Parts: sequence; C-alpha cells; structure tokens
Amino acid sequence: KNQVEQSPQSLIILEGKNCTLQCNYTVSPFSNLRWYKQDTGRGPVSLTIMTFSENTKSNGRYTATLDADTKQSSLHITASQLSDSASYICVVGGLGGYNKLIFGAGTRLAVHP
Amino acid sequence: DGGITQSPKYLFRKEGQNVTLSCEQNLNHDAMYWYRQDPGQGLRLIYYSQIVNDFQKGDIAEGYSVSREKKESFPLTVTSAQKNPTAFYLCASSIGGRTEQFFGPGTRLTVL
Repeated sequence: KNQVEQSPQSLIILEGKNCTLQCNYTVSPFSNLRWYKQDTGRGPVSLTIMTFSENTKSNGRYTATLDADTKQSSLHITASQLSDSASYICVVGGLGGYNKLIFGAGTRLAVHP
Repeated sequence: DGGITQSPKYLFRKEGQNVTLSCEQNLNHDAMYWYRQDPGQGLRLIYYSQIVNDFQKGDIAEGYSVSREKKESFPLTVTSAQKNPTAFYLCASSIGGRTEQFFGPGTRLTVL
C-alpha cells in the first residue's frame, strides 16, 4: 500500500533554533517528493520539489533532502522564526496518467519566542 | 493563494442538504483537483479534471459530484449521500496532469 509517514506529529522549538522533520514513504513507482507548508486554515504552499535523482534542494531557510534508496526525506529549518509555525506536509508523487499524489498527515510545528 | 479562489471560506449546512463549493482559477491551468482534509490525516483526492468537460473520480468520490463546463471553474457539490461531510475542502490546479499543484485557501464545511 502506498503510504507517506511523517514524524514527529508535532514539535515545539524556540525562535532561532534549527529543527528537522522526517518523512518515510512506501510509494512505488516514485516520481517526485514535495514539501508543503500549510498555515492554519489556509491552503498548502509548495516549499520544494525533488525528483528521484536529486539529493537536496533548498528554499531560503528550508532545505530538503532525499534518499531514494531508503525512501526517506527530511526537511531542515534553519534559524526558525515565529512565522514558521505551521504544518509541514510531505507529498510523494507516483507515476501515472495524472498527477497522483500521496499526502502525509503533516508535522505541526510551533515556534515560541 | 496563487490565483485560485474558493468561496465561501466557511459554510454551514443542515444535515440532508446538498451544498456546492466554488473553485475558480485565473492561472490558465488545464487540470483541477478537489481534496478533503480531516484532522490527523493527509489530504485525500475526491475528484480531478484534466481538461474541460472531463473529470475522474479520486479515492473518495462517493457522495460528491463535480462539473467542468469552463476551464476556470470546477465546483464541487457535497450531496446528502456523503455520510460525514464536515471537513476542510481544498481545490488545486496545475498546468498539466503531472506538474506542480497550486492550492486555494480552502472552504471549511460544517454540517449541523
């Protein structure tokens, strides 16, 4: 069964600290892996997209890594800010005739002053 | 939210009533999608459309219906057959069937 599992479910850190969110997937065949940021009550916004041949991709203070062999990805947030408080969703794209995406349940991050 | 609008933001309906959620995009995207989001779960695909006048069922289509009469619009009707309709509904669009999806701001539906 195609699944995407994220850990931890929730995380609290202090402003200015770094953190790493984890994503494990069993989706096969695999096309790409995306990380989205979702503020409470809003739609998700894309942070990064990686294909199976990419190991890392950055977007400002966000850096995503991908190990296609172990089917693991991580999202590292550097120097966290209060505005980073949100849910971070790992999404894996399979292969097929349309944009089939498998969504993780997300990690809820709270950044405290 | 990337040129995709959803209305209304909040919607309340009595049990047994049909309700239609609006989704409009001005990105000239061919493909549009409807997802449902429940607490503690990943987004689940309800319906998708790759082109005008064509749409396919997603993973949880029962109790829902859609239409795609215009490229810009992809309304979702939640029918009385949907057993647990209270949820956060997200519309998305993409240039093609396998490209980046852009999401709207969502509609929170509460059935009383």
